[in-house]
Amino acid sequence: AQKVTQAQTEISVVEKEDVTLDCVYETRDTTYYLFWYKQPPSGELVFLIRRNSFDEQNEISGRYSWNFQKSTSSFNFTITASQVVDSAVYFCALSDLNNAGNMLTFGGGTRLMVKP
Amino acid sequence: NAGVTQTPKFRVLKTGQSMTLLCAQDMNHEYMYWYRQDPGMGLRLIHYSVGEGTTAKGEVPDGYNVSRLKKQNFLLGLESAAPSQTSVYFCASRAAMKNSPLHFGNGTRLTVT
Repeated sequence: AQKVTQAQTEISVVEKEDVTLDCVYETRDTTYYLFWYKQPPSGELVFLIRRNSFDEQNEISGRYSWNFQKSTSSFNFTITASQVVDSAVYFCALSDLNNAGNMLTFGGGTRLMVKP
Repeated sequence: NAGVTQTPKFRVLKTGQSMTLLCAQDMNHEYMYWYRQDPGMGLRLIHYSVGEGTTAKGEVPDGYNVSRLKKQNFLLGLESAAPSQTSVYFCASRAAMKNSPLHFGNGTRLTVT
């Protein structure tokens, strides 16, 4: 069975601070896919990134970066120089091959509050 | 390009009433899903479909039924609503490739009194 844990339920930072959102996953498969989604206060779910288990390169996109470490089963998300617009709930998700419906299993989410 | 469209956006039901949530996608995706979102519990899968005419149970299927008569539509039904079904419901779709992301609708906020 697949499982995703986001231990941080809420994080509060002041604008321009860096912040890291943790994600730890469990799966029996050697091939799997990890995702991050953002849910701003307006409520929609926005896809941010996808990572395949066989590609351990970290990725940077502007102020966002992702650190994938198979050794610790973690896929952490860092926002550099946070902005008020980054305030949202962030979800980490996992999809493995032992899964007939290509289902994503989501973590409980981390609510990030960036104060001006 | 509409993507995934859910109707209605809000609904209030009394205990025991029934209703159907409609999800429509225009991306020709094979897979469709219904999730519910509750505070502190993330998104939990209710039912899903891997193609027209097929459905399967997810993590929390009790009290819900689904149908996928057309590839682009996925209906979620509540036959006898209960207060425990107060939640935000999200429909999503994805292409058949294993690494394809989910595309979500904007959600339906349901309150059962």
